[in-house]
Amino acid sequence: QVQLVQSGAEVKRPGASLKVSCRASRYTFTDYYIHWVRQAPGQGLEWMGWLNPKSGDTNLAQRFKGRVTMTRDTPIRTAYMNVNRLKSDDTAVYYCARGANWGSGLDFDYWGQGTLVTVSS
Amino acid sequence: DIQMTQSPSSVSASVGDRVTITCRASQGVSSWLAWYQQKPARAPKLLIYATSSLQSGVPSRFSGSGSGTDFTLTISSLQPEDFATYYCQQANSFPPTFGQGTKVEIK
Repeated sequence: QVQLVQSGAEVKRPGASLKVSCRASRYTFTDYYIHWVRQAPGQGLEWMGWLNPKSGDTNLAQRFKGRVTMTRDTPIRTAYMNVNRLKSDDTAVYYCARGANWGSGLDFDYWGQGTLVTVSS
Repeated sequence: DIQMTQSPSSVSASVGDRVTITCRASQGVSSWLAWYQQKPARAPKLLIYATSSLQSGVPSRFSGSGSGTDFTLTISSLQPEDFATYYCQQANSFPPTFGQGTKVEIK
């Protein structure tokens, strides 16, 4: 069974930076895109961007460009998402998800367990 | 960006009921529409992709239909484990976008 295991919960101050990891197992890491989706408390799902683990290419939603980067360490099958200049409204659960291998690959067949990030002074 | 609108926002139903959730896109998404189920404090789970294809392991009481801009998720006979929030998502064009969710509650 495909697994995506994320790093643990974080508490950050406004203005700080965040790095969340997502370790993949039981499939070929470089064959599927990794997407990041966040969910603010009591709210819906917001797509943030994707990472191509094979090439390292990324594509971000407009509102995150300049503040979010996505990287990977292929030998250890791990994707990372960095968010800079954190604000209180970045408080959310952050999910990594595997992009499906049908159509445009813009839907998500397996998800990590989520990482709760709290931004508070 | 394509806006996805679900209705209703919540529905109260009993075990055994037939439940239908609709999703409307602000522009056509062909057949690239997915449905997810999310239980409290859990990650979303893919139920249906490409409008009507059931993800492996998902019970056959879940079905999807539609095309273009109007889509439907149907649960034919609601089970206790189906009480959750359901999201539609368009996977046709960048950026992928989600509906606001429909909460299925116990009557």
